Amino acid sequence: QQQVKQSPQSLIVQKGGISIINCAYENTAFDYFPWYQQFPGKGPALLIAIRPDVSEKKEGRFTISFNKSAKQFSLHIMDSQPGDSATYFCAASKVSTGSARQLTFGSGTQLTVLP
Amino acid sequence: DGGITQSPKYLFRKEGQNVTLSCEQNLNHDAMYWYRQDPGQGLRLIYYSQIVNDFQKGDIAEGYSVSREKKESFPLTVTSAQKNPTAFYLCASRGVPSDTQYFGPGTRLTVL
Repeated sequence: QQQVKQSPQSLIVQKGGISIINCAYENTAFDYFPWYQQFPGKGPALLIAIRPDVSEKKEGRFTISFNKSAKQFSLHIMDSQPGDSATYFCAASKVSTGSARQLTFGSGTQLTVLP
Repeated sequence: DGGITQSPKYLFRKEGQNVTLSCEQNLNHDAMYWYRQDPGQGLRLIYYSQIVNDFQKGDIAEGYSVSREKKESFPLTVTSAQKNPTAFYLCASRGVPSDTQYFGPGTRLTVL
């Protein structure tokens, strides 16, 4: 019930193309869904996040689509650029004991954007 | 500069030694977290702390210990009981009631 399943494991797209990464969860108590971007040897950086009361959120070239009934959410990167080449993690969060919030991460997608 | 600092960036340990990884934040965040990252895997929670002098085990706490004596500091000790400590260790913090966790740059630990 705590798992977040992410696919694909790796993704190669051409410059200017659309990159799509998918995640699925089981625990309906999750109420916050962030995406993180991580470059080699660096810490993850928050990219964009969504709550289940909206179906889509867009920030620049990055869009999260959220399907509450299917318990799935996805990251779309429009006009992908070589500088977007990184590992992307989806995550899900819920309030636990004592109002603590813990993130459960997907396994990551290594994105390569070819010039 | 505001943010999270981790030191050292690289750490080498001989088998049987305890080592301590530093995490400091000047964001005035109440909650702090330690994660472990292995190649090709997601982040796994080791320990977290909501307030000073209180901390909770995460999913993989065995072989690790922490302390939270100051709000800005949350050091992680990797003990000799941790069977496979070679990994990338990440510290994060969160300002309650925000949901967002911010990560430090990480420490890469290698056991020789």
